[in-house]
Amino acid sequence: ETGVTQSPTHLIKTRGQQVTLRCSSQSGHNTVSWYQQALGQGPQFIFQYYREEENGRGNFPPRFSGLQFPNYSSELNVNALELDDSALYLCASSQGGSTHGAGNTIYFGEGSWLTVV
Amino acid sequence: AQSVTQPDIHITVSEGASLELRCNYSYGATPYLFWYVQSPGQGLQLLLKYFSGDTLVQGIKGFEAEFKRSQSSFNLRKPSVHWSDAAEYFCAVGANTGNQFYFGTGTSLTVIP
Repeated sequence: ETGVTQSPTHLIKTRGQQVTLRCSSQSGHNTVSWYQQALGQGPQFIFQYYREEENGRGNFPPRFSGLQFPNYSSELNVNALELDDSALYLCASSQGGSTHGAGNTIYFGEGSWLTVV
Repeated sequence: AQSVTQPDIHITVSEGASLELRCNYSYGATPYLFWYVQSPGQGLQLLLKYFSGDTLVQGIKGFEAEFKRSQSSFNLRKPSVHWSDAAEYFCAVGANTGNQFYFGTGTSLTVIP
């Protein structure tokens, strides 16, 4: 149990639709990262939020966007869904946005499974 | 560019046998290295991590890993595998700015009785 909770756990959307995934970070953690894990692949970094600001982004198009709220929870929004967006979306939380550091443990949630049909 | 290679897509071992999962990385600076385990339908659980110091790192569940700079490797080992170790294992490099990980494609471990 990592204290990072994600919702919904599973959902099915139609191509072209929009989806919002949610993440509650572990208590005291001010940094949230989102990853996409396609079937049979390792997780790919989407972006990171630190104190409500995006402070890092991977190679994902602008239709992937996010928010972080004052309580440090976060949302991942994906517009104009494509079939290739079908994946497990993982949220990770940590304390401190600048570096992994020796004491900066990062915790992952169990993910949201998105299927686009 | 940062990257992680896990050359073994799938490994099968007998329960009680030793295990070594390979990981090679490419990173321009001193790497932060991690091993994560993922059970079916689950998120990622940290097994161990290396930042500096002793190159042999002990982790949870009896796992250890050795950082070898000359070989750009961070192989995961366990002396005696249990059936409950069957899962997907991911090696990752941590960026030294921000908390971004670069993951390998994973090694699937099957344990036979």
